[in-house]
Amino acid sequence: EVQLVESGGGLFLPGGSPRLSCAASGFTVSSTYVGWVRQAPGKGLEWVSVLHGGGQTYYADSVKGRFTISSDIRSNTVYLQMDSLRVEDTAVYYCAKLENSGYDFDSWGRGILVAVSS
Amino acid sequence: QAGLTQPPSVSKGLRETATLTCTGDNNNVGGRGAAWLQQHQGHPPKLISYRNYSRPSGIPERFSASRSRDTASLIITGLQPEDEADYYCSAWDVGLSAWVFGGGTKLTVL
Repeated sequence: EVQLVESGGGLFLPGGSPRLSCAASGFTVSSTYVGWVRQAPGKGLEWVSVLHGGGQTYYADSVKGRFTISSDIRSNTVYLQMDSLRVEDTAVYYCAKLENSGYDFDSWGRGILVAVSS
Repeated sequence: QAGLTQPPSVSKGLRETATLTCTGDNNNVGGRGAAWLQQHQGHPPKLISYRNYSRPSGIPERFSASRSRDTASLIITGLQPEDEADYYCSAWDVGLSAWVFGGGTKLTVL
């Protein structure tokens, strides 16, 4: 059974640099696409970033140059390093796995809140 | 990045049929179709239809999907109270090299 468990969220100051973790089980992160999708309070879903196990990375324009996605094969964990946080980054961040072709987000974690406020 | 277009809300009666739409262009929906996600309040999204119209295990047959040119549709027959939720479409946009989502449709079952 696929499971994705996020951690690392909380309340941060603008300009902060938290790192989110997504512990995966039931599959190996090195063999598929895993990414992050966020949802601001009361808003819709917004794609953030995706990592393919082979190393290719993708970023939304809104986070490009500030966020970095990576993985650790030994712990089967995907990370999202968030630098230069802005108030508008406040959202629940979901870790999500994509199906083999890399198009559809087919498994989701429960999400973790990142709140940015001074 | 531009998103896909969904109506903000749809209301239908119990046991009726609801058709939710998602409009994009030939770089996303028109080229590779769209997947559909269901999200109940306070819960993470759940995939209910792949872009190739197949359903994940455990999703009732009442949920089906189709596409006509740049518009994808999710059809829910025999509406049940538990179908009341937010529904999102998602697609890969080859022009943007990005995943895009619709703004979501809030389905109310009367």
